Amino acid sequence: QSALTQPASVSGSPGQSITISCTGTSSDVGSYNLVSWYQQHPGKAPKVMIYEVSKRPSGVSNRFSGSKSGNTASLTISGLQAEDEADYYCCSYAGSSTWVFGGGTKLTVL
Amino acid sequence: QVQVVQSGAEVKKPGASVKVSCKASGYTFTNYAVHWVRQAPGQRLEWMGWINAGNGNTKYSQNFQDRVTIIRDTSASTAYMELSSLRSEDTAVYYCARGGLLGYSFDIWGQGTMVTVSS
Repeated sequence: QSALTQPASVSGSPGQSITISCTGTSSDVGSYNLVSWYQQHPGKAPKVMIYEVSKRPSGVSNRFSGSKSGNTASLTISGLQAEDEADYYCCSYAGSSTWVFGGGTKLTVL
Repeated sequence: QVQVVQSGAEVKKPGASVKVSCKASGYTFTNYAVHWVRQAPGQRLEWMGWINAGNGNTKYSQNFQDRVTIIRDTSASTAYMELSSLRSEDTAVYYCARGGLLGYSFDIWGQGTMVTVSS
């Protein structure tokens, strides 16, 4: 099971929007609308921000949105804030009761 | 308060085994799954496997198939992950996380357990 492909880093200024991509294969991202996104601050446990491609858990800001096209899922954060600076991981169901994470993306708010 | 609380840090020698616990509270343990995810220092999250806390069925990542065992004790609302034949590359923070509420995602995470493998 290979990791999903994410850019190593992205950056943006406060108030701007950024998008993080997550590329898998037709066996994982492309086959299921079961991509989730996690935010992880240094030394902390991950927190789910998006599930089932585009759904937001209760309490997560509507500045966070998700989408998918083919084998690539995307996380968009609008109106960047300083507290959004963190690592972000995508995760996809990969069939046969298995899951696979992405390589992670470090978001820097300039 | 819905939470999962993990056991404390461990230091093990190469070749040994480690067993990490994950105690659930604030929800019906047997209605959900428990997944295990690890993160080596400075590295990505890596899914290891999961257990259906209701029926005890398990599934493991091929990367750990031969070395990981996940069990649960429903009377204690606790899941356990045991990793055997430890090597230095297994030094990592090990997380448990609840699955099954928000689709196929992991909504409640433990605080993490640092496992250090060193001679």
